[in-house]
Amino acid sequence: DIQMTQSPSTLSASVGDRITITCRASQSVTNFLAWYQQKPGKAPKLLIYKSSTLESGVPSRFIGSGSGTQFTLTITNLQPDDFATYHCQHYHTYPYTFGQGTKVEIK
Amino acid sequence: QVQLQESGPGLVKSSGTLSLTCAVSGGSVSSSNWWSWVRQAPGKGLEWIGEISDRGRSNYNPSLKGRAAISVDKAKNQFTLSLTSVTAADTAVYYCARDLVRGGDFWGQGRLVTVSS
Repeated sequence: DIQMTQSPSTLSASVGDRITITCRASQSVTNFLAWYQQKPGKAPKLLIYKSSTLESGVPSRFIGSGSGTQFTLTITNLQPDDFATYHCQHYHTYPYTFGQGTKVEIK
Repeated sequence: QVQLQESGPGLVKSSGTLSLTCAVSGGSVSSSNWWSWVRQAPGKGLEWIGEISDRGRSNYNPSLKGRAAISVDKAKNQFTLSLTSVTAADTAVYYCARDLVRGGDFWGQGRLVTVSS
């Protein structure tokens, strides 16, 4: 299985900040990488797929980049609604696997 | 807008079979999509269980050691997860989702299933 490792596990930030979350794959997943936002008690919401393609309706302050084994999710001008947990997921081969999640909390 | 809704027992006895159904509205299980199940144990990350295509092809996470089976009912526009020989480790919120094969764009709200001894 391809292991996905996110860092940091927790990130404290303020409204208006620019933050970056990293996701590393144990082997290349080319660009078959998605990012999700999850709030407590809710289902994950797709933000980005194919490493950098923004899902329809998602604000442009969410930026995905990377390929191969290293990927980043950057959120510019952090908004109150952005405090949540973020997950990466590869879909390069079976089984699909997720990172352990990064919780973005208010500083 | 596609909507997914999980249903099924919230409590299953240890060694029994967990069965959940995902009803699809605003779309069709007969369309060219893959329909997945994902679970999340309390306080833990997401785990992909498996998926089924509109043509009935399925793929599963080997970590479940053959205990999972997904089927599709085109007449009812729904798909179903069966997980056999459950233990406390299978206690989780179970989500159904569409097309994790390209980034899961639609998800159900989740169903908490607790395995009791």
